[in-house]
Amino acid sequence: DTAVSQTPKYLVTQMGNDKSIKCEQNLGHDTMYWYKQDSKKFLKIMFSYNNKELIINETVPNRFSPKSPDKAHLNLHINSLELGDSAVYFCASSQVKGQYGYTFGSGTRLTVV
Amino acid sequence: GNSVTQMEGPVTLSEEAFLTINCTYTATGYPSLFWYVQYPGEGLQLLLKATKADDKGSNKGFEATYRKETTSFHLEKGSVQVSDSAVYFCASQGYKLSFGAGTTVTVRA
Repeated sequence: DTAVSQTPKYLVTQMGNDKSIKCEQNLGHDTMYWYKQDSKKFLKIMFSYNNKELIINETVPNRFSPKSPDKAHLNLHINSLELGDSAVYFCASSQVKGQYGYTFGSGTRLTVV
Repeated sequence: GNSVTQMEGPVTLSEEAFLTINCTYTATGYPSLFWYVQYPGEGLQLLLKATKADDKGSNKGFEATYRKETTSFHLEKGSVQVSDSAVYFCASQGYKLSFGAGTTVTVRA
């Protein structure tokens, strides 16, 4: 009974393509996040949604667009993929301000060739 | 904003050795502090947390104490096992969860 599930787990695609990653949580949390982990394991927040409202939008290229149809889902669409987008993308969720911690999905490894 | 600095790795230990990973934070106010662990090929798991000064978080033999005076949250384990091999992240909760750079720990039998 997975708490935060994201699909696909692996994604290999060519430069210039458009792709989406989906995330769903069944914890009843009202805040969801997207993080990017680079090859050196460094984690950087990209977006955060609270009850379908965008509350954090870090310096991310416009090619990245999050969408939250409801508070249990947060998808990430990426246009015109570039080599530098290759990374592991993690979805996470938390209660309100996250002071009790976040629950992370298992990650989507995106490889752009 | 909040930021976290943690000890760089990699760290290689023998089984049953003592592990310490240093972590210091900068923040306005008193953020909640966390240690997360990432096993190979997996996502991040919350290892332990502390929400206020002098709190001690503990789990699976790991401990960390929220030290306001030194702005630190060092992770310790008295006797590591091969299964503790992973990347460990210190994190601070401000308006967002900010992570340290991660410390790779390898425990050899």
